[in-house]
Amino acid sequence: QVHLQESGPGLVKPSETLSLTCTVSGGSISGDYWSWIRQPVGKGLQWIGRIYTSGNTNYDPSLKSRVTMSVDTAKNQFTLRLTSVTAADTAVYYCATGSKHGSGYDYIDSWGQGTLVTVSS
Amino acid sequence: DVVMTQSPVSLPVTPGEPASISCRSSQSLLDSKGYNYLDWYLQKPGQSPQLLIYLASSRASGVPDRFSGSGSGTDFTLKISRVEAEDVGIYYCMQGLHTPRTFGQGTKVEIK
Repeated sequence: QVHLQESGPGLVKPSETLSLTCTVSGGSISGDYWSWIRQPVGKGLQWIGRIYTSGNTNYDPSLKSRVTMSVDTAKNQFTLRLTSVTAADTAVYYCATGSKHGSGYDYIDSWGQGTLVTVSS
Repeated sequence: DVVMTQSPVSLPVTPGEPASISCRSSQSLLDSKGYNYLDWYLQKPGQSPQLLIYLASSRASGVPDRFSGSGSGTDFTLKISRVEAEDVGIYYCMQGLHTPRTFGQGTKVEIK
């Protein structure tokens, strides 16, 4: 099973851009899909979106105008960019991946440890 | 978005006793192939979520067989046959059929 590690600034100012990187180890990033999920402190989970190594993406429509995901296969990394952040974007951000069932369903079974991003001036 | 509703919100349990959590979706999670795209996760205190059940009833690798999932369409259940102390945490259901994927609000399981 692959290991995922998030990295990036823990503090971002309002209206600026949040950028996080997830480094994949123990396996290749190629030929799979990669997700971002966040969790405001003390609250539930929100799926942000996912990207296939082909570049195809699916985003939560409520965040779509502010979200960009990308993959760097040479570095075995994928990234999340969230623009125009507000305090409501303060959360623990997880990168995740999964396995493909014979039905075609990609279920999420590997998570990073998560990184807290606080939006504050 | 598909709304996932879990009950109860809080579940005090006695070790050795069974426990059950319900999850209902606002839209059917049954696909044309007959699979229900519903997963269950457990988030232990201070940890990332871990997959317990996928496709409503398939146990993930390494998950003890005291955990089982059932249901179809819009109504799903996670059962723990005999609760152990290590099972405490917050349980989430998540639907994977519709975009965006959405989670239930969570059920906090704690020992009485």
